[in-house]
Amino acid sequence: DAGITQSPRYKITETGRQVTLMCHQTWSHSYMFWYRQDLGHGLRLIYYSAAADITDKGEVPDGYVVSRSKTENFPLTLESATRSQTSVYFCASSVSAGGQETQYFGPGTRLLVL
Amino acid sequence: GDSVTQMEGPVTLSEEAFLTINCTYTATGYPSLFWYVQYPGEGLQLLLKATKADDKGSNKGFEATYRKETTSFHLEKGSVQVSDSAVYFCAITANTGNQFYFGTGTSLTVIP
Repeated sequence: DAGITQSPRYKITETGRQVTLMCHQTWSHSYMFWYRQDLGHGLRLIYYSAAADITDKGEVPDGYVVSRSKTENFPLTLESATRSQTSVYFCASSVSAGGQETQYFGPGTRLLVL
Repeated sequence: GDSVTQMEGPVTLSEEAFLTINCTYTATGYPSLFWYVQYPGEGLQLLLKATKADDKGSNKGFEATYRKETTSFHLEKGSVQVSDSAVYFCAITANTGNQFYFGTGTSLTVIP
């Protein structure tokens, strides 16, 4: 009954450091997504993945790297964190890419870059 | 490109008041429309959805009707409760696409 989990839930780091946010889902959903949530912007898509080893850019991909070696995991890496990447990050998954499909969200990771 | 414009908050209502949160969209083709809710400290949860014109989505007393002629999907509830306090997001997605477009969110606080 785990669903979709994210770790860590809270992270403080410094400018220039590499940070990896983890996302794990137990439903075997094909599609996984990373969003960032910022005041005044709602949620914006960073990257998404249609299946293992298939990833694509979303609206705001700069400064981020993703990988998907296994269907259930979709880590997001900030290669060299910047203050503008302070945000709340949400992972989501869905069965397929059809427009009618619901996306299921994890609880989020709050990241503060000092 | 596709986009969503959502009523700005915050909104504060007394318990049992009527709620409307406006949402309009811009999209090519025939998008699916969604309302998600985010309770404090949690991720987003699907509240309701509609996938074609004139469809009405409903859940937990909330309703929204897909109005293609006005490109709108306004969220309504006849009598709000304190437990409805949350942030509400309108979202659209094209029927052949992977990307959701979210509004900026509307914070609702219901006071006893």
